[in-house]
Amino acid sequence: EDQVTQSPEALRLQEGESSSLNCSYTVSGLRGLFWYRQDPGKGPEFLFTLYSAGEEKEKERLKATLTKKESFLHITAPKPEDSATYLCAVQAPTSGSRLTFGEGTQLTVNP
Amino acid sequence: GAVVSQHPSRVICKSGTSVKIECRSLDFQATTMFWYRQFPKKSLMLMATSNEGSKATYEQGVEKDKFLINHASLTLSTLTVTSAHPEDSSFYICSAREVGQSNYGYTFGSGTRLTVV
Repeated sequence: EDQVTQSPEALRLQEGESSSLNCSYTVSGLRGLFWYRQDPGKGPEFLFTLYSAGEEKEKERLKATLTKKESFLHITAPKPEDSATYLCAVQAPTSGSRLTFGEGTQLTVNP
Repeated sequence: GAVVSQHPSRVICKSGTSVKIECRSLDFQATTMFWYRQFPKKSLMLMATSNEGSKATYEQGVEKDKFLINHASLTLSTLTVTSAHPEDSSFYICSAREVGQSNYGYTFGSGTRLTVV
């Protein structure tokens, strides 16, 4: 059974204080690992897709990395508008096109 | 980029009535769409996979007769909550993936807040 565990559950940062969110996964072959941002009362917004260990992708203050067991979402010099819940999901060959989501990390960036 | 429109964004209905939620892919075709349910401060729980022109595939524990899914075209899937009860109150989200655009992941709708009174 595919499993995704995100940590920490919640994270409070001061504006400008860089940090990382973790997504550990267990799947029978990884077809893709996805990062999403979700604001309260909204649907998830796509951030990144990673396919193989060693892959990295960047977008503004965010950088996602992938190993064979986990992915990190690095946030550099965050701003209050980065406050949101960040969700990680995996897709495995055994699950077809379905995604398995982690519980998310609720990030709060204080000014 | 790919856009998924979900309607309505909020709906309040009386217990025992049915509610239909629409999910449209605006600028791409989606042979497969997904319906999720999300509880407060919880992650997304996949309810069913909607396949164009065929029956939906439901996840274990999801009542097929309560949550009716229809995917009649390549751009529209609907979720009907039948005989709704207060425990069906939740945030429902759909998603779709543009064929051949794997770099963009799955696109989600903005969600529907259902309140059953």
